[in-house]
Amino acid sequence: DTAVSQTPKYLVTQMGNDKSIKCEQNLGHDTMYWYKQDSKKFLKIMFSYNNKELIINETVPNRFSPKSPDKAHLNLHINSLELGDSAVYFCASSQDLDGSYEQYFGPGTRLTVT
Amino acid sequence: RKEVEQDPGPFNVPEGATVAFNCTYSNSASQSFFWYRQDCRKEPKLLMSVYSSGNEDGRFTAQLNRASQYISLLIRDSKLSDSATYLCVVRGGSNYKLTFGKGTLLTVNP
Repeated sequence: DTAVSQTPKYLVTQMGNDKSIKCEQNLGHDTMYWYKQDSKKFLKIMFSYNNKELIINETVPNRFSPKSPDKAHLNLHINSLELGDSAVYFCASSQDLDGSYEQYFGPGTRLTVT
Repeated sequence: RKEVEQDPGPFNVPEGATVAFNCTYSNSASQSFFWYRQDCRKEPKLLMSVYSSGNEDGRFTAQLNRASQYISLLIRDSKLSDSATYLCVVRGGSNYKLTFGKGTLLTVNP
């Protein structure tokens, strides 16, 4: 049983398009996250939600809009895609906001913008 | 100074070797510390938490020095399956954010 799942796994699209990535966790966790891992392998947090409420919003262009319809889902919509958006996007979840809990990551979505 | 800095690596070691990774963090109010492991083209997974008194899990030993803001990971008797990128991870003092180091790539050779 997959704990944190993401779709799609690969996404190739052209500049200017709008795309969405979906994430679901079946762990019963309260907190979910989106991370971006760029070509230099640096993993940086973008957003975090706790019980559908936005908690962390790092300095991310407002072309990126997360949506949490319920606490098991956190989707990421990206408008007007740019070349620099090419990266691997990881969804993660943890039991709650307490940072001492393990974060479980999804398999990643490899986004390539051409 | 970067929030979390790690040995740049890469490390290439023979099977059975002992290897140590170092990490420093800039926020003295940081409260939680971890080592995550990321295999090539896979997601990060928790290897172990790091406690103030130091802790061991089989062949892996983690140490924390709060005064020096320094974290280490020691791997004894390296196995081929230990080949991966090791990520030093720190949680800041007043926020819930985890900050990841850039990672150190380890390759264990037969």
